[in-house]
Amino acid sequence: ETGVTQTPRHLVMGMTNKKSLKCEQHLGHNAMYWYKQSAKKPLELMFVYNFKEQTENNSVPSRFSPECPNSSHLFLHLHTLQPEDSALYLCASSYGTSGGVYEQYFGPGTRLTVT
Amino acid sequence: AQTVTQSQPEMSVQEAETVTLSCTYDTSESNYYLFWYKQPPSRQMILVIRQEAYKQQNATENRFSVNFQKAAKSFSLKISDSQLGDTAMYFCAFMKKTGANSKLTFGKGITLSVRP
Repeated sequence: ETGVTQTPRHLVMGMTNKKSLKCEQHLGHNAMYWYKQSAKKPLELMFVYNFKEQTENNSVPSRFSPECPNSSHLFLHLHTLQPEDSALYLCASSYGTSGGVYEQYFGPGTRLTVT
Repeated sequence: AQTVTQSQPEMSVQEAETVTLSCTYDTSESNYYLFWYKQPPSRQMILVIRQEAYKQQNATENRFSVNFQKAAKSFSLKISDSQLGDTAMYFCAFMKKTGANSKLTFGKGITLSVRP
């Protein structure tokens, strides 16, 4: 595997379900990001992790719970979601987050549908 | 706060022709970076080109070039000799040079279709 991978690619869940999205990067990066991509809207940054520490929570509802056990893996735990949470969730990684501009490499995304 | 505006939701171009995608932004920062990202139908977003605000020379990457007008806060992308593989959504994005988290602020994107 190369680059940034995300699983599953598609997920359908009910509002009472609990599921998790997984992201893995094989680039030796130290920072990882979760973005939400909804139709007709700009990408929204949700969370940033740098060296496993959360450095940004962009006022995301608590029904989204991120976890970063190491610099290569990032999870997004989902519970009691709402239909408006249906979107494409993108993971990205970069070498760093400050002191310079670090290109972010994106995964293919997980298409989430909440029914 | 920064904002990025892409006012054209869709564009279409004939293969081998040239197309320009528009982007404007608003910021009080003087030092920043601008990016164009491409998201093909397969959904993997990739970086096309980037521009550093303090550089007056417009960035170029093969068939892709930008027209960066700092005073007007305009950052358009020109694709020359369009190819079918250029069909994708294109996002303009802004990043402050200083501060933490290398936060990208994206526009809504534009869907480009290249016609054979």
